[in-house]
Amino acid sequence: AQSVTQLDSQVPVFEEAPVELRCNYSSSVSVYLFWYVQYPNQGLQLLLKYLSGSTLVKGINGFEAEFNKSQTSFHLRKPSVHISDTAEYFCAVSLGGFQGAQKLVFGQGTRLTINP
Amino acid sequence: EAGVTQFPSHSVIEKGQTVTLRCDPISGHDNLYWYRRVMGKEIKFLLHFVKESKQDESGMPNNRFLAERTGGTYSTLKVQPAELEDSGVYFCASSQPLGGQGLSETGELFFGEGSRLTVL
Repeated sequence: AQSVTQLDSQVPVFEEAPVELRCNYSSSVSVYLFWYVQYPNQGLQLLLKYLSGSTLVKGINGFEAEFNKSQTSFHLRKPSVHISDTAEYFCAVSLGGFQGAQKLVFGQGTRLTINP
Repeated sequence: EAGVTQFPSHSVIEKGQTVTLRCDPISGHDNLYWYRRVMGKEIKFLLHFVKESKQDESGMPNNRFLAERTGGTYSTLKVQPAELEDSGVYFCASSQPLGGQGLSETGELFFGEGSRLTVL
């Protein structure tokens, strides 16, 4: 079975500072990896995903993540955050395969707070 | 194009009562999923419909939960009778059929805003 661990439940940072949200997963087979974001009073929105190929994945709003197979990690980074990045971020994995990356296993979420 | 819509946005009921949550997926999306987040914990998979058929209901917690998808369009999730531990946010998501274009082949799920259920 797969599992996902987001090491930080809350991350406060100052505006324009860099940020890294950590995500580790466990799986005995290859997985697809995702980061979702939930802004206040909104649904989950896909930030980026890793399916195969380049281990550095770029997403929306200036975010990127790097897949590290040896460390089973998929940390999310942004070089300079804005107030509007305040949200909860979720790392997720799925088995993918022929039926598609449809059934997600989520981490506990990391609440990112940007301070002016 | 309308996104995934869920109703109600918030429901407060007493223990033992019944609640029905509704999800309208994006038009043309055959795949429909229900997820739940309880007490600030991780979001967990409940079940997956392909059109009107239940493809995978391994995440349904017990037989107090009943999901339906009449005609392969909207879906309902009924909790009867509700218990305190059922409180949480119920998310619905949909995706295009396999073999579609672009991101749909990679299984991107489009989520609704969730229905918050409070059981007192």
